[in-house]
Amino acid sequence: ILNVEQSPQSLHVQEGDSTNFTCSFPSSNFYALHWYRWETAKSPEALFVMTLNGDEKKKGRISATLNTKEGYSYLYIKGSQPEDSATYLCAFTSGTYKYIFGTGTRLKVLA
Amino acid sequence: DAGVIQSPRHEVTEMGQEVTLRCKPISGHDYLFWYRQTMMRGLELLIYFNNNVPIDDSGMPEDRFSAKMPNASFSTLKIQPSEPRDSAVYFCASSRDSTYNEQFFGPGTRLTVL
Repeated sequence: ILNVEQSPQSLHVQEGDSTNFTCSFPSSNFYALHWYRWETAKSPEALFVMTLNGDEKKKGRISATLNTKEGYSYLYIKGSQPEDSATYLCAFTSGTYKYIFGTGTRLKVLA
Repeated sequence: DAGVIQSPRHEVTEMGQEVTLRCKPISGHDYLFWYRQTMMRGLELLIYFNNNVPIDDSGMPEDRFSAKMPNASFSTLKIQPSEPRDSAVYFCASSRDSTYNEQFFGPGTRLTVL
């Protein structure tokens, strides 16, 4: 069974702090790694789709890096704000498997 | 575009009843995905369609679950008979492909089977 693991499971930070979390995935037969943001009572929304080893994506204060050889991706949030509070999901796709989601990192930013 | 539309938003039913969940994908998206979200297992892919054809249903938990896509703008997920362990939030998502493009999720259907 394929495992996509995210750590930490949950995280509380103060407003203004920078933070990061990890998504680990199988390194073989890699196609793409997706990051989603999921606010309570809403649906997941796409942040990034990453396909190339060494790729780095950025959207405002949020950025992500990808290492396909060792099978991990980092998501960074700079200067966290209360509105960043959400669950951040990653999803792995390969030649064989479509959209294996991790269980997410639940972020709470305290004002 | 209104995004992915799901109905109903909430469904409460009794064990043994048939449940039908509905989804309208974003126009022009060739792929449609059905997910189930539970506390224990997170977000699980149940089945996905390409151009209305089921491609991979290996995530469907058992024969009580079935999904159809009669045309490009409509899909159903049916549970018959329903059981309490089917209680979960069911999401539908659509995308331009199955790998490299982002998925757009509907608001979900919260199913409670008593």
